[in-house]
Amino acid sequence: GAVVSQHPSRVICKSGTSVKIECRSLDFQATTMFWYRQFPKQSLMLMATSNEGSKATYEQGVEKDKFLINHASLTLSTLTVTSAHPEDSSFYICSAKVTGVAAFPYEQYFGPGTRLTVT
Amino acid sequence: KNQVEQSPQSLIILEGKNCTLQCNYTVSPFSNLRWYKQDTGRGPVSLTIMTFSENTKSNGRYTATLDADTKQSSLHITASQLSDSASYICVVSADNAGNMLTFGGGTRLMVKP
Repeated sequence: GAVVSQHPSRVICKSGTSVKIECRSLDFQATTMFWYRQFPKQSLMLMATSNEGSKATYEQGVEKDKFLINHASLTLSTLTVTSAHPEDSSFYICSAKVTGVAAFPYEQYFGPGTRLTVT
Repeated sequence: KNQVEQSPQSLIILEGKNCTLQCNYTVSPFSNLRWYKQDTGRGPVSLTIMTFSENTKSNGRYTATLDADTKQSSLHITASQLSDSASYICVVSADNAGNMLTFGGGTRLMVKP
């Protein structure tokens, strides 16, 4: 159980275009999902916290107008990189948190990641 | 500032050998500590989660320890296999809601035949 999927797994786009990445919790409902970015040989960096039905909370330094997050249902969150540039090339990983009192300490289940390359 | 430091940064061992990875943290308050395994090009997979009251937890050949007094944790891998080659990430949660995670830089382990 507790499987998180991401689509696409890899995407190459041209500079200036927009790219949408989907994150789905396949067998559980997730009121909270997280988006991370990971550069080569570095650890994960939290970009934003996404709560179903409300606006995402962005970490300091992350442009909310550039990285649009939508969490319209309990099983789907999307990250849209708008007007992508080569420096946006990175590995984007989402995670979903199991909620409910019995779920403490609230494991985050990570998706397999999306490799974005902007040319 | 909350920080999680891991050592060594990288490690090479021979198949069948044991190894221990270290994690020191300065996260306050403390809720729980997690170890994840991340294969190259994949998302992290949970190995163990330990709360304040737990000082050891095992998952197969992986055994994590936690000393909340010294704010140290270790991950011991027994009888390593080639498939253990991955990055191992120590993550500390500062809140009981599981939202405030501080990630360590990871230890890259390579197991050679």
